[in-house]
Amino acid sequence: DVKVTQSSRYLVKRTGEKVFLECVQDMDHENMFWYRQDPGLGLRLIYFSYDVKMKEKGDIPEGYSVSREKKERFSLILESASTNQTSMYLCASSTVGPEAFFGQGTRLTVV
Amino acid sequence: GEDVEQSLFLSVREGDSSVINCTYTDSSSTYLYWYKQEPGAGLQLLTYIFSNMDMKQDQRLTVLLNKKDKHLSLRIADTQTGDSAIYFCAETYRGYSSASKIIFGSGTRLSIRP
Repeated sequence: DVKVTQSSRYLVKRTGEKVFLECVQDMDHENMFWYRQDPGLGLRLIYFSYDVKMKEKGDIPEGYSVSREKKERFSLILESASTNQTSMYLCASSTVGPEAFFGQGTRLTVV
Repeated sequence: GEDVEQSLFLSVREGDSSVINCTYTDSSSTYLYWYKQEPGAGLQLLTYIFSNMDMKQDQRLTVLLNKKDKHLSLRIADTQTGDSAIYFCAETYRGYSSASKIIFGSGTRLSIRP
C-alpha cells in the first residue's frame, strides 16, 4: 500500500512563528504536492515538486516555501505564520499514471 | 488559467441516484478524476476517466465526459448513507514545465436523506 505520512494531524502556532510541515511518501514517487483545503474553496495548490530539488509554484504560493532535499520528503515552510494561514494542509504524491495519493492532512491553527 | 467548478451541496434520498456535475477549462487534460473525502479523512481516488473516453462504469458509479462542453459528471446509483462525503472533481493540467499538476474543484458535499 502506498503511504503518504504527514508529521502532525493538529498544530497550533503563534503569529510570526516559522512553521514546518513535513510529508513523507514510501513509494518512490517523483511528484509531490502541497494543497490547502478551505471550506467552499476546495483544494488549492500551494507548491509542487517533480524531482529532488525541483519545485514549481502552484496557485497560492505567497507566504510559503518548500524544500525537497530527498525524493521521499517534501516540506512546506511558513516563514512567518499569519492567522489567514489557518487551514487544513494536505500533502500528496504521484508517479506516472492517474492517481495521486493523499496524506491524512494537518490542521494548522495560527493564533 | 485552469479552473474546475462544481456546486457546493447536493441532497438526495436514500436509494435514489445522485448526479454530481463539474465543468473544467483545460481542454488538454489527460485525466479527469473524482475523489471522495469522508469526514476527518484525506482524499481517496474514487474513479477517473481518460480524456479520450466518453463514459466509464464501475459498479454503482458512472462517469460521463462531454469534451465539447468540458463537462464531467458522476452518477452514483442506489445512493446509501455511506456515500455521504465531499466529492471533488479534478483534472490534470500541464503548465509551462513538463510537470503535471492536479487542479481540484471546490467539492460537492453530498448528504443523504432517509
